[in-house]
Amino acid sequence: NAGVTQTPKFQVLKTGQSMTLQCAQDMNHNSMYWYRQDPGMGLRLIYYSASEGTTDKGEVPNGYNVSRLNKREFSLRLESAAPSQTSVYFCASSVTGDSGNTIYFGEGSWLTVV
Amino acid sequence: QQQVKQSPQSLIVQKGGISIINCAYENTAFDYFPWYQQFPGKGPALLIAIRPDVSEKKEGRFTISFNKSAKQFSLHIMDSQPGDSATYFCAAPAENFVFGPGTRLSVLP
Repeated sequence: NAGVTQTPKFQVLKTGQSMTLQCAQDMNHNSMYWYRQDPGMGLRLIYYSASEGTTDKGEVPNGYNVSRLNKREFSLRLESAAPSQTSVYFCASSVTGDSGNTIYFGEGSWLTVV
Repeated sequence: QQQVKQSPQSLIVQKGGISIINCAYENTAFDYFPWYQQFPGKGPALLIAIRPDVSEKKEGRFTISFNKSAKQFSLHIMDSQPGDSATYFCAAPAENFVFGPGTRLSVLP
């Protein structure tokens, strides 16, 4: 059981380049999320998807687009990368069970924009 | 956007000491209050969570306390160990799952 898998793990981009971060979960969860984590800023929500076919903006959506391709996959696209988008990106999925709504994270993608 | 306030920002504790991290929330509609633990280079993972119908939950050395009237919940780590050194987040488990800013805990050997 792989859980939440995101690729690539490391990426260096030049300013203005575009790229897509891929994310897939094999836990049959309805909800999926993209966060970015910067030093001293905690985890900030970029976009989330409560179910297949729906997406909503989080706290910091500017400069990003997302696609919920199917129930398993949720991708994050940077159309024109900027140095301010240098960050660690985490994909996550969640399920509501006996312990409430629990979120499961991937291992992270380290992105540097130069 | 739901706000979750967390304190302190960082914490240094001697091995064997007690670590205490606090979280304050706004929305009273939540039915579940979690703490997440993150080690360097890894994604956060659920550590412990509590329902609002109980005031305290203990799992090993980790205890979560809930004060509904004050809209606060806290994490206590008893007999803190160097292996507990990590960043801890509380969360507001709404549809958009907002996290607190995190507390960086360092346990000195």
